[in-house]
Amino acid sequence: AQSVTQLDSQVPVFEEAPVELRCNYSSSVSVYLFWYVQYPNQGLQLLLKYLSGSTLVKGINGFEAEFNKSQTSFHLRKPSVHISDTAEYFCAVSETGGSNYKLTFGKGTLLTVNP
Amino acid sequence: DAEITQSPRHKITETGRQVTLACHQTWNHNNMFWYRQDLGHGLRLIHYSYGVQDTNKGEVSDGYSVSRSNTEDLPLTLESAASSQTSVYFCASSEAGEFHEQFFGPGTRLTVL
Repeated sequence: AQSVTQLDSQVPVFEEAPVELRCNYSSSVSVYLFWYVQYPNQGLQLLLKYLSGSTLVKGINGFEAEFNKSQTSFHLRKPSVHISDTAEYFCAVSETGGSNYKLTFGKGTLLTVNP
Repeated sequence: DAEITQSPRHKITETGRQVTLACHQTWNHNNMFWYRQDLGHGLRLIHYSYGVQDTNKGEVSDGYSVSRSNTEDLPLTLESAASSQTSVYFCASSEAGEFHEQFFGPGTRLTVL
């Protein structure tokens, strides 16, 4: 079984500042990793995903994440945030191979961008 | 455009009543999922289906059931609603095969009084 820990439940930042949202996972098998974003009163949408290959993954809206297998981490970063990035961000993990398509989510990090 | 819809968007019901939440997707995806979202818990998987007539229990399935009679729909039924089931419910779908992202519906906010 897998588990995901998002180390910060809330992250307040000022507009145009850099941000890092931290995610660690635990799994006995190889995993796929995902970051989803949820804007207020909406469903989740995919920001980016790591399936294989380059450990630095670029996503939508200027976000990127780096897979670190030795640290079992998948931290999300953006060099300069906008007010519109205010949302809740979820890290998720899934087993590779086979026919298991389930996702295990972290508890979420609320990013608040202040002017 | 293909989409995934949920109805109703808001529902208030009483303890003990049976409630069914609808989920309909036009992506023609084999995989469908139901999650609940609660403050401090993130999203937790209730039930999932990998095709017609296939259903499986997730992490928090007690008190819930699903059935899959066609590709497009996966209704979620609360057999006898309890206050602990007050939550926001999300439906999602994905293609089978090489891992594909899950597409989420807009959610249903359920209040059990």
